[in-house]
Amino acid sequence: GENVEQHPSTLSVQEGDSAVIKCTYSDSASNYFPWYKQELGKRPQLIIDIRSNVGEKKDQRIAVTLNKTAKHFSLHITETQPEDSAVYFCARHRQAGTALIFGKGTTLSVSS
Amino acid sequence: DAGVIQSPRHEVTEMGQEVTLRCKPISGHNSLFWYRQTMMRGLELLIYFNNNVPIDDSGMPEDRFSAKMPNASFSTLKIQPSEPRDSAVYFCASSLSGQGNQPQHFGDGTRLSIL
Repeated sequence: GENVEQHPSTLSVQEGDSAVIKCTYSDSASNYFPWYKQELGKRPQLIIDIRSNVGEKKDQRIAVTLNKTAKHFSLHITETQPEDSAVYFCARHRQAGTALIFGKGTTLSVSS
Repeated sequence: DAGVIQSPRHEVTEMGQEVTLRCKPISGHNSLFWYRQTMMRGLELLIYFNNNVPIDDSGMPEDRFSAKMPNASFSTLKIQPSEPRDSAVYFCASSLSGQGNQPQHFGDGTRLSIL
């Protein structure tokens, strides 16, 4: 249906390790998948997005992969740093100009 | 570059009072979204507008909530009368639609507390 399932809900890693967050969806018409980072008390900020005609996108230490057949997409953060600690939300929508459907969020804690 | 501007940043009021939240989207953006964020329900859409026209208000909880967009640079979300369960952070976001999928940019939110 409409929901986006996001896992895990919490993730704790050591500085320098990698972190992976996965989201699944069921609406095959979805074609845009952004990821947002929200620090405590702040607004969600777009960190990376991917469109359905692409399987992977990378921006420095973050990357997103999309498997349209399996209907899942993942956020990968390499060489994590304490400042990566935040809540990360995946989202999807099916059409430009329509609202995003958000996952429930993953609280990432990076300890030094 | 001015982002999405929301006011007030914080609002504390007693139940039964009218609350009005305001949003100025990024100049040139033609889609505007109102979201509500709570611990229990996460980020959920309340209503969105394209070219100042409400498109989907299915997320508006009940008749106590109303939203308007009188022009391309201003929108309001009104709660009347307010109830304690309306306490949440309300975000406004805007994007440019009609040119493929474009990112939505969020304002800093209004933290609303109804006593």
